[in-house]
Amino acid sequence: EAEVAQSPRYKITEKSQAVAFWCDPISGHATLYWYRQILGQGPELLVQFQDESVVDDSQLPKDRFSAERLKGVDSTLKIQPAELGDSAMYLCASSPDTLALPFFGPGTRLTVL
Amino acid sequence: AQSVAQPEDQVNVAEGNPLTVKCTYSVSGNPYLFWYVQYPNRGLQFLLKYITGDNLVKGSYGFEAEFNKSQTSFHLKKPSALVSDSALYFCAVRALIYNFNKFYFGSGTKLNVKP
Repeated sequence: EAEVAQSPRYKITEKSQAVAFWCDPISGHATLYWYRQILGQGPELLVQFQDESVVDDSQLPKDRFSAERLKGVDSTLKIQPAELGDSAMYLCASSPDTLALPFFGPGTRLTVL
Repeated sequence: AQSVAQPEDQVNVAEGNPLTVKCTYSVSGNPYLFWYVQYPNRGLQFLLKYITGDNLVKGSYGFEAEFNKSQTSFHLKKPSALVSDSALYFCAVRALIYNFNKFYFGSGTKLNVKP
């Protein structure tokens, strides 16, 4: 069964450092999502791609976060510099289109010290 | 504004007893509602969805959910709980925003099923 792949699964970094997360969606899925899930809360959408284009990044803290999906396939989410409050699970999801159900990857758990 | 509320942070139930995890929503237009389950250090797994039709929706692992339009609720249910059902459950709603669909998630409910 096809799955969304994410790496690394766990990341520990010190504040002010740069971190990057990678996501490989299910093959053929045009829509890709990055969510942030703070402990005890539900996932919050950071950015949504349709192919290589950003269609929603209204909740992305653009002063420190960036996301790209250059060829419309895999995607990278970067944080620079990391802050203590960025500690969370970062979930990637993909779907065939924006109407379809998102399939979630296992997530990257980030701890900022 | 679109939103999902899960009023209970935690639900405790004995194995074999029925369980209910509550969800209410606020969305403009027709609601498209979903339930996901999350096990520790894992991503979210889809359980079931309501798009249209019968108000009682059946999903994976024996779960079902009842859509109630007048109460704007979509409660998750299971007739007989298993210890293995212990996990974090999220309700979500899909809304059309500026011609794109966005998913809004509730804060989650931790289900504890005790032997």
